[in-house]
Amino acid sequence: GQQVMQIPQYQHVQEGEDFTTYCNSSTTLSNIQWYKQRPGGHPVFLIQLVKSGEVKKQKRLTFQFGEAKKNSSLHITATQTTDVGTYFCAGPGGYSTLTFGKGTMLLVSP
Amino acid sequence: EPEVTQTPSHQVTQMGQEVILRCVPISNHLYFYWYRQILGQKVEFLVSFYNNEISEKSEIFDDQFSVERPDGSNFTLKIRSTKLEDSAMYFCASSPNYSPRLTRLPNEQFFGPGTRLTVL
Repeated sequence: GQQVMQIPQYQHVQEGEDFTTYCNSSTTLSNIQWYKQRPGGHPVFLIQLVKSGEVKKQKRLTFQFGEAKKNSSLHITATQTTDVGTYFCAGPGGYSTLTFGKGTMLLVSP
Repeated sequence: EPEVTQTPSHQVTQMGQEVILRCVPISNHLYFYWYRQILGQKVEFLVSFYNNEISEKSEIFDDQFSVERPDGSNFTLKIRSTKLEDSAMYFCASSPNYSPRLTRLPNEQFFGPGTRLTVL
């Protein structure tokens, strides 16, 4: 399966600041998914990106898929304490499986 | 809203013992998965299951592991002889009822709350 690298591993921001996590692959991805895992919780699907250069928004969250389909980013505008958690990108790992990145843990201080 | 359920929430066992982790996927889903997550690490794929057979499995899923769908609702993961390094959170997931063979894309996966396995 394909490997996806994610940076940063950890980020601590003040409430109201922006946050971005990046996901990179050495090979072209047919698609990429993003999941959020709250502390002590389970991964929850956020979005799937399929098209080259695709940009999707969900309220304060903006997801991008690179033109070459080798990278993706998740940007959160004006973070809130409810944004706390680990954000994982996941690329295709096989026929119907996912390969998760190591995740970016976001801490938001009030 | 339908959700994936898992039991037990926490399982403590002695090394060498067998454990069975249970999952009830969302009822109209056709693909089922097991993942594990060692504390503080990434989510790792173990196995996928479709049409009553294993579809794919990872290197982690060795002979000590098996999966079964004994009836129309349950999906189980068995570890025959647990090792210390099997201690992790085990997540079950299921995917909606369209075939990836048609879309050629992995499905959105719905995860259960997990079972924390502690091997002593």
